[in-house]
Amino acid sequence: EADIYQTPRYLVIGTGKKITLECSQTMGHDKMYWYQQDPGMELHLIHYSYGVNSTEKGDLSSESTVSRIRTEHFPLTLESARPSHTSQYLCASSEWGGQGDGYTFGSGTRLTVV
Amino acid sequence: KNQVEQSPQSLIILEGKNCTLQCNYTVSPFSNLRWYKQDTGRGPVSLTIMTFSENTKSNGRYTATLDADTKQSSLHITASQLSDSASYICVVSDRGSTLGRLYFGRGTQLTVWP
Repeated sequence: EADIYQTPRYLVIGTGKKITLECSQTMGHDKMYWYQQDPGMELHLIHYSYGVNSTEKGDLSSESTVSRIRTEHFPLTLESARPSHTSQYLCASSEWGGQGDGYTFGSGTRLTVV
Repeated sequence: KNQVEQSPQSLIILEGKNCTLQCNYTVSPFSNLRWYKQDTGRGPVSLTIMTFSENTKSNGRYTATLDADTKQSSLHITASQLSDSASYICVVSDRGSTLGRLYFGRGTQLTVWP
């Protein structure tokens, strides 16, 4: 049973639309992350958060933005979607450091911008 | 530059056979190495996690090995099943930052045929 939930699973939208990808976790983890993954490629970190009101940009530049108003919720927003944003977006969460940090991924959102 | 390289890129085996996937890394400093299984269109699921002092760790039919001196790891799958068809991703964590940054390989795409 998944402890981190992403919605929607699949999304096809037109260019220029504003979209929000939802991510929620029930594990009480402080740290949350957004990754972008293209087919056959490695995951790239685009945003992360240490806790409420904390957000940082990751290694891969992204036009998306994130917010962390509640511990369990870490939504990602694209103000104006473009075909170049077509990708799979994965949300993850973890506890602070250590081997048993419980790093867990959601099932992902497959975004297609037409 | 910290990197994680996996081989082979893809592999096809018959059901019931064994296989071994390889991972070489240059990440330094080193905290731990994880193997994930990612089904198509889903998020990665953790199989094993090993620290510097651990040489072998098993999870059912999956056995991971780690040689921290040569910076190599392998994932051995015994008596493969059709459900083992997936991408297997090697992930290395450094201890150089409070984020505990993860470095992802591109994965080995395993296909098990009946």
